Amino acid sequence: EVQLVESGGGLVQPGRSLRLSCAASGFTFNNYAIHWVRQAPGKGLEWVSGISWNSGNTGYADSVKGRFTISRDNAKNSLYLQMNSLRAEDTALYYCAKSGRSILKSSTLDYWGQGTLVTVSS
Amino acid sequence: AIQLTQSPSSLSASVGDRVTITCRASQGIGSALAWYQQKPGKAPKFLIYDASTLQSGVPSRFSGSGSGTDFTLTISSLQPEDSATYYCQQFNTYPLTFGGGTKVEIK
Repeated sequence: EVQLVESGGGLVQPGRSLRLSCAASGFTFNNYAIHWVRQAPGKGLEWVSGISWNSGNTGYADSVKGRFTISRDNAKNSLYLQMNSLRAEDTALYYCAKSGRSILKSSTLDYWGQGTLVTVSS
Repeated sequence: AIQLTQSPSSLSASVGDRVTITCRASQGIGSALAWYQQKPGKAPKFLIYDASTLQSGVPSRFSGSGSGTDFTLTISSLQPEDSATYYCQQFNTYPLTFGGGTKVEIK
C-alpha cells in the first residue's frame, strides 16, 4: 500500500523558516517524481514544487520561487521542502503527492499524503 | 501560467441524477488533463487522467471527455458517496495548475 506521511508543520512567525518532510513507503520511491501541493484554509489546490526521480530536475511555483527548496533522499525514501522567508500567504495544508512518472513532464498525482499544516502568523 | 476555469462552482443534485462539470483551459492543452475528488478533511483522490482514462478502482459511473481547451467530468448516476469537491488539473505545461473546484452536494 502506498503511503505518504508528511511532518514538520507548525506555527511560525513571518520571515522565519520551516522544513517539511514526507516519508514514503509501499512503492519504489526512486522511480517516481514527487510534488508538494498546498491548500489554504477553505481554498483550492495550488501546486508548489516538484522534483524528478534523481533530483535532476526541479520546478517551483512563481509564488515560492527563490524562497522554497525541494529535495529528496532516495536512500531514506524521503522528500523535503525547505521554506524560508515565510509569509502569511504561505499558510496552508501542505500535501506530498506522488507522480505517476519518473520525470517532471506530464505529471499527474496518483497518491497523496494527509498533509501537514503550516501557519504563518506573529 | 495556464488557467483552468471550472463551472459550476457548486451544484446540488439528487441520487441517481446525471451530473456534468466543465473545465476550460486558457490555452490548448491537448488531453493533458486530470480530475480529482476531495472529501472534507481528506486528501484529494486521483480519478481520471489523459482527460478520459479512469484510474484503477474508480467506479465506472465516472467518465471524462474533451481535448484542447474544453473538458467535462460526468457522473452518470450520482451516489451519496460522491458528495465532494472536484478539481481539474492540467499537466501539459509547468507550473501545474488546478481549477477552482466544483462542490457537489446531494439534495
